[in-house]
Amino acid sequence: RKEVEQDPGPFNVPEGATVAFNCTYSNSASQSFFWYRQDCRKEPKLLMSVYSSGNEDGRFTAQLNRASQYISLLIRDSKLSDSATYLCVVNVGGFQKLVFGTGTRLLVSP
Amino acid sequence: NAGVTQTPKFQVLKTGQSMTLQCAQDMNHEYMSWYRQDPGMGLRLIHYSVGAGITDQGEVPNGYNVSRSTTEDFPLRLLSAAPSQTSVYFCASRPGTGTLTGELFFGEGSRLTVL
Repeated sequence: RKEVEQDPGPFNVPEGATVAFNCTYSNSASQSFFWYRQDCRKEPKLLMSVYSSGNEDGRFTAQLNRASQYISLLIRDSKLSDSATYLCVVNVGGFQKLVFGTGTRLLVSP
Repeated sequence: NAGVTQTPKFQVLKTGQSMTLQCAQDMNHEYMSWYRQDPGMGLRLIHYSVGAGITDQGEVPNGYNVSRSTTEDFPLRLLSAAPSQTSVYFCASRPGTGTLTGELFFGEGSRLTVL
C-alpha cells in the first residue's frame, strides 16, 4: 500500500461547481498534513495546511479524519484559475520526511 | 527575494556522465531537500538535510549524493547518469524541522534528460 494515495483524476467540472478530493495515508503516526497546488510545468506551492479541527480559507476547506486516516479538500464555486494538480502531503517517519501523493488533476471549464 | 534557486533549468546528459544540480536558498532555512517528479509517480524524496553538515536519505537515494557544507547550498550530484534518472528535479527548503513549519518553498525545477 502506498504511504499516501489520492483520488485518481482528472476531475472535469464546470465553473461554479463544488468539487472534493480525498487522500488516504497509511502511517497512523503522521502528524502533519498539507495540500499543495501545482500548475503545469511549475513548482508545487502550498495551498493550505490541514488541522485536526478542520480549516477554511475562502472557497477552500480542508478536513482531517484521523480515525479513517484521510484528509479532504473541498473547493466551492470553482474558477477557471483553479485548474491545476492538487497534491496531498503527509509527514512519514518523523517530521523530516514529507511524502507527496501522486496528485489529482482538476480541470475547470467555462 | 530570490527564494530557492536551482541551476541549471535544463540539462541533457549521456549515460555515464556526471553532473551536479545546484540549489541555493537565501532564507536561512535549516531544512533542505531534493525531490524528483516523474509522471504517475508524484514527487519522491531523494535526500534531505536538517542543517549544515547533516544529510540523510529519502525514498530514492540510489545514484545520488548530497552534501551540506553551508546553510545556503545543497547540491545534488549524479555520479554516473542513467536513463532512469531522466526526470524533473525540485529542490525545496523550509524554515524549521518541527511539525508546524511544514511549508516547503520550491525552486523552479531542473529538467534532466539522460540519453
